[in-house]
Amino acid sequence: EAQVTQNPRYLITVTGKKLTVTCSQNMNHEYMSWYRQDPGLGLRQIYYSMNVEVTDKGDVPEGYKVSRKEKRNFPLILESPSPNQTSLYFCASSLWFNQPQHFGDGTRLSIL
Amino acid sequence: KQEVTQIPAALSVPEGENLVLNCSFTDSAIYNLQWFRQDPGKGLTSLLLIQSSQREQTSGRLNASLDKSSGRSTLYIAASQPGDSATYLCAVEAGANSKLTFGKGITLSVRP
Repeated sequence: EAQVTQNPRYLITVTGKKLTVTCSQNMNHEYMSWYRQDPGLGLRQIYYSMNVEVTDKGDVPEGYKVSRKEKRNFPLILESPSPNQTSLYFCASSLWFNQPQHFGDGTRLSIL
Repeated sequence: KQEVTQIPAALSVPEGENLVLNCSFTDSAIYNLQWFRQDPGKGLTSLLLIQSSQREQTSGRLNASLDKSSGRSTLYIAASQPGDSATYLCAVEAGANSKLTFGKGITLSVRP
């Protein structure tokens, strides 16, 4: 089954404790991205990747890192999480630009 | 800066009604416009993608139109059912980063 898989689905952690949210797709998609969804602000892009080893900032990259060492994986790294990063995070992928984007089920992060 | 607006924020209709969801955007330099459905606790499911050169797309009971020059799109849902209850988001894809800019969504409730 074609899918985008995120882990964990839920995480409660404390300020400053490094965490990684994994994202994996099995569709051989070139393009992957991360979004965060906040009430009243909607979905905003954090980082995106056009190909292996090619990543760039979206609208709200501060406090986040990403890597794309393999085509299928695009982890989101919070080196020193803070409470303002409490949010619902989505990973998405598409074959290339101008193609339907497939979203994971989301990761709800709470940072205390 | 691209802005996407969806009004109203919520809508409640009786089962069987045909309905139209509206979306407007400010910059017509887009690759496409996409409509998504989001169920509580779930990710986004792509419903329809309209290329910038197209006027409409259809899938089952759904029909989406695009008027790029006026910056408007509509999602028409025929013979609504309780199972259509969800949040519907529109997004435009544009720019070198192939970013999706989302509206805040319309939460639809279809009453039996």
